[in-house]
Amino acid sequence: KAGVTQTPRYLIKTRGQQVTLSCSPISGHRSVSWYQQTPGQGLQFLFEYFSETQRNKGNFPGRFSGRQFSNSRSEMNVSTLELGDSALYLCASSLEAVVSYEQYFGPGTRLTVT
Amino acid sequence: GQQLNQSPQSMFIQEGEDVSMNCTSSSIFNTWLWYKQDPGEGPVLLIALYKAGELTSNGRLTAQFGITRKDSFLNISASIPSDVGIYFCAATNTGTASKLTFGTGTRLQVTL
Repeated sequence: KAGVTQTPRYLIKTRGQQVTLSCSPISGHRSVSWYQQTPGQGLQFLFEYFSETQRNKGNFPGRFSGRQFSNSRSEMNVSTLELGDSALYLCASSLEAVVSYEQYFGPGTRLTVT
Repeated sequence: GQQLNQSPQSMFIQEGEDVSMNCTSSSIFNTWLWYKQDPGEGPVLLIALYKAGELTSNGRLTAQFGITRKDSFLNISASIPSDVGIYFCAATNTGTASKLTFGTGTRLQVTL
């Protein structure tokens, strides 16, 4: 079974621009979560989508948004990029069975804002 | 944002040695997870723990869910060079299951 895939793997943007990142979950997984990883703050939860609805949200500004499609694929968007948005953005999917909270991560998208 | 306290921050050990690391929180969680991350990759799930006091093994890895539900421990026996990487604990609760709170990470380096 294929793992979680993320595109693109690397991205360089300029301050003020916007960016869209894509995530394809493991086949059959319906929950997709996004995380930001930086050296200073570590891994921080952004939001989670389940059945095309945002179900949980972290403490990030409204410039960070996302969506999920009917095939469970998800995108996240960051508008008006700031230097501090430079990070590894990780997507994780889970089966969403009753007792399983296990999330499986993709390789991430490395975003650099200049 | 909130992070779990993980220690040690880094470890430099010899091949064949056993390794222990732990993770503590000021809050109670009902699920604990351990991940390993290699450079340039996403975290890989190693072990999941669902019950306080639970002890679970995965090959040379053994993890325990603390009885207070505020901590967890990971042991690696007979370390090998491919154990090198950063180990993260993560925790969550029912209702916000997808919202993992992560530890600060333990960087493991193994010498021959």
